[in-house]
Amino acid sequence: EAQVTQNPRYLITVTGKKLTVTCSQNMNHEYMSWYRQDPGLGLRQIYYSMNVEVTDKGDVPEGYKVSRKEKRNFPLILESPSPNQTSLYFCASSLDLLTSGSTNEQYFGPGTRLTVT
Amino acid sequence: GQNIDQPTEMTATEGAIVQINCTYQTSGFNGLFWYQQHAGEAPTFLSYNVLDGLEEKGRFSSFLSRSKGYSYLLLKELQMKDSASYLCAVMTTDSWGKLQFGAGTQVVVTP
Repeated sequence: EAQVTQNPRYLITVTGKKLTVTCSQNMNHEYMSWYRQDPGLGLRQIYYSMNVEVTDKGDVPEGYKVSRKEKRNFPLILESPSPNQTSLYFCASSLDLLTSGSTNEQYFGPGTRLTVT
Repeated sequence: GQNIDQPTEMTATEGAIVQINCTYQTSGFNGLFWYQQHAGEAPTFLSYNVLDGLEEKGRFSSFLSRSKGYSYLLLKELQMKDSASYLCAVMTTDSWGKLQFGAGTQVVVTP
């Protein structure tokens, strides 16, 4: 089944304890992206990757790191989480975001609800 | 800066039509997406417009006017399952692959 998976789905952690949220897709997609969603603010892009070893900042990259060592995986790393990073996080992938047609449809993972105390 | 505006909430009756507007002011434009998001779930893709005009997909249609920085999503023959948040997202030419979302419009369908 074609899908984007994220782990963990729920996480409660403490300030300063490094964590990684994994994202994996099995559709051979080139484009992957991380978003956070907060009430009243909608989805905000954190980082995105156009292909392996190519990553770029979105609108809210501070406090986050990513890597794209292989096509299927795009982990999100919080080196020193803080309470303002408490949010719902979504990973998404697309075959090719820039080409009109079905290839630029983004598929979203189920989300990771992170609480930092 | 970038600005994408959508109404916060709209209510409509089952079987009716609802039009959700999205206006944007961005530095460069490279396409506009609409997504649907049910409560507690991930967004799902509805449409993509890069050229002016109307794109129809079953009960849903999306319109774009690049000169006016304006798009709308039209939902016809509303069903209860259409109660959801609808997200407008713009891809700018600032950075290929960068997407900016509006805050979303909550559509409530009543019997």
